[in-house]
Amino acid sequence: EIVLTQSPATLSLSPGERATLSCRASQSVSSYLAWYQQKPGQAPRLLIYDASNRATGIPARFSGSGSGTDFTLTISSLEPEDFAVYYCQQRSNWPRLYTFGQGTKLEIK
Amino acid sequence: QVTLRESGPALVKPTQTLTLTCTFSGFSLSTSGMCVSWIRQPPGKALEWLARIDWDDDKYYSTSLKTRLTISKDTSKNQVVLTMTNMDPVDTATYYCARATIAVAGTPTDAFDIWGQGTMVTVSS
Repeated sequence: EIVLTQSPATLSLSPGERATLSCRASQSVSSYLAWYQQKPGQAPRLLIYDASNRATGIPARFSGSGSGTDFTLTISSLEPEDFAVYYCQQRSNWPRLYTFGQGTKLEIK
Repeated sequence: QVTLRESGPALVKPTQTLTLTCTFSGFSLSTSGMCVSWIRQPPGKALEWLARIDWDDDKYYSTSLKTRLTISKDTSKNQVVLTMTNMDPVDTATYYCARATIAVAGTPTDAFDIWGQGTMVTVSS
């Protein structure tokens, strides 16, 4: 089973700064990687799918890149509402499984 | 507008069977490409995918939990039901249902694009 490792566990930044979050897979997942944002007490929200495609309604400051085993979520200029926990998630076709990373908490510095 | 809502008991005893219902609107699980998954999150921990059911009644389960899980659908009621047997305190979590679509124009492919608000289940005697 593929394991996703996110780094760092916690990222402390100020509004207006650039955030770079990493997700590494234990084996290649091609481009089958998604990113989610979760705020306290809320369900996760899909940000990015297939590594680099923004979901509907997601601001352009969010971008995803990578393929194979190394992926990055970039927030170009942090807004106050962006401070949350971010999860990466992969899908495998055989067997049909989904796994999530352990999350990166983006906190206000 | 697509919405999903989870329902079920807030408290179950160890060894009991948990039954959760996901009631959805805005799409039909008889439409090609539609899928519903269950995902859980223990307090303060990461997300864990549990099971998925597709429009054609194909079913998929977490490798580690498949002996305890059963997923089913009632298309006429727009519901998906998850049962989990032999509940243990480590199964205490918020349980979410979420939609994914496969090759449906205008939607992300096989990503969880719409989520319910979740239902908290505590396992305790």
